[in-house]
Order: sequence, then C-alpha cells, then structure tokens
Amino acid sequence: QSVLTQPPSASETPGQRVTISCSGSTSNIGSNSVYWFQQLPGTAPKLLIYTNNQRPSGVPDRFSGSKSGTSASLAIGGLRSEDEADYYCAAWDGSLSAWVFGGGTKLTVL
Amino acid sequence: QVQLVESGGGVVQPGRSLRLSCAGTGLSFSSYGMHWVRQAPGKGLEWVAGISYDGSNKYYADSVKGRFTVSRDNSKNTVYLQMNSLRDEDTAVYYCANGRHGSSPQFDIWGQGTLVTVSS
Repeated sequence: QSVLTQPPSASETPGQRVTISCSGSTSNIGSNSVYWFQQLPGTAPKLLIYTNNQRPSGVPDRFSGSKSGTSASLAIGGLRSEDEADYYCAAWDGSLSAWVFGGGTKLTVL
Repeated sequence: QVQLVESGGGVVQPGRSLRLSCAGTGLSFSSYGMHWVRQAPGKGLEWVAGISYDGSNKYYADSVKGRFTVSRDNSKNTVYLQMNSLRDEDTAVYYCANGRHGSSPQFDIWGQGTLVTVSS
C-alpha cells in the first residue's frame, strides 16, 4: 500500500487530454513539492514535473502539473502513442523523513 | 555527458550482504545529494535511501532501516549502498538518482539500474 494514491490505470485516445491524480496527506503533498515521472518499459524513470508544475528542459509543454491541498494532478494533452507508459508521483514526507511514491498509473493510448 | 552508472548487483542468498556502487561523470558530483530508488519485478518505484552532498545527512525508508547503509566517496565520485541481512523482498532493480543541488531539480539524472536478486 503506497503512501500516495494513484489510479492503477488510465486510457484515452490519441490527440485527447488525460489527467492522472495523486492523493496524499498534509505531511507529504500538503506541505512539500510534488514530482512526476514517466517510465517506459524496461527503462529508468524520467523526470517530467518537479516542484508541482515545473518542467525540466526538454519535456514538452503537453505535460503539466498542478497541486491543490493534499492532491496533485498530471495532465497530458495532445496524447501520442509514445506517451503510453507508467506514471508515478512522489513527494517528501516530513513525518516519515522519507520520499514516498505513488503506486503508479499505467496509461494506455487507445 | 552527465551520467550515473550503477554496479554491484547480482544473485545473493537471503541473509547475506551486497554492496552497490553508483559512479557519476560529467557533473560536480561532490555538490549533489544522491538517492537510491528500487523497483521490484512488476512493481512500482520505492525510494530506499538518500545522502547529502557531503555525507553528513542520511535518510532511509523504514523497510531498509537498520539493514542498509548509504555512503559516498567524493574523491571517487561514487555513492554506495551497503545492503546487509538481505531478504527475498529486497529483490529489485536498484537505481541511483541525483538529489539536491542548488535550485536544480532532484531526480533529474538516473542511472540504468542494477538488478539484485535475493534467492536461495
């Protein structure tokens, strides 16, 4: 059971927009920055979003992050087949003194 | 080219020890905090441990506290994960990733991972 809660799966058709949620608590998302990662099969995770809504250089602006209270969301617009991957959220948890990850969401582009 | 390369994985019996290494190139390694993150087969990501740039602060997941030790040798641009009393559930691909470095994002640089299999 992960500290951060994500839906196990999501799906949408190419060109559309999909949103993935991440729910936590006051000790993690509620008081610290949220990170989002994309992991393609057989590869290392890739940072998509940091500090709730910032994109590292090279990440397309189709990817956006937001946070409200103890929840965060990752939105992907203009879906492409190559966006089919696992997506994870993460945040520092001040009560645990540890980083915590969501269980991951498998995105299928139909 | 900025790169992190893990090594030291392999097959080990339950209760035994293993030490992983993560070598950094192309970055000011001694000014970066570092993390270890693992992924069990078919499962999600789990943060394991973190260490500050100078090794003065170390953090561990509850699942490995008291068994794993993170350390670093900045003269060798390398961070280590000493894993003792290994259990079946420690079987995973272990990744190292960058930690805090000024205003740069954490977890922006990842290694390719090294597989640890705990099995009798």
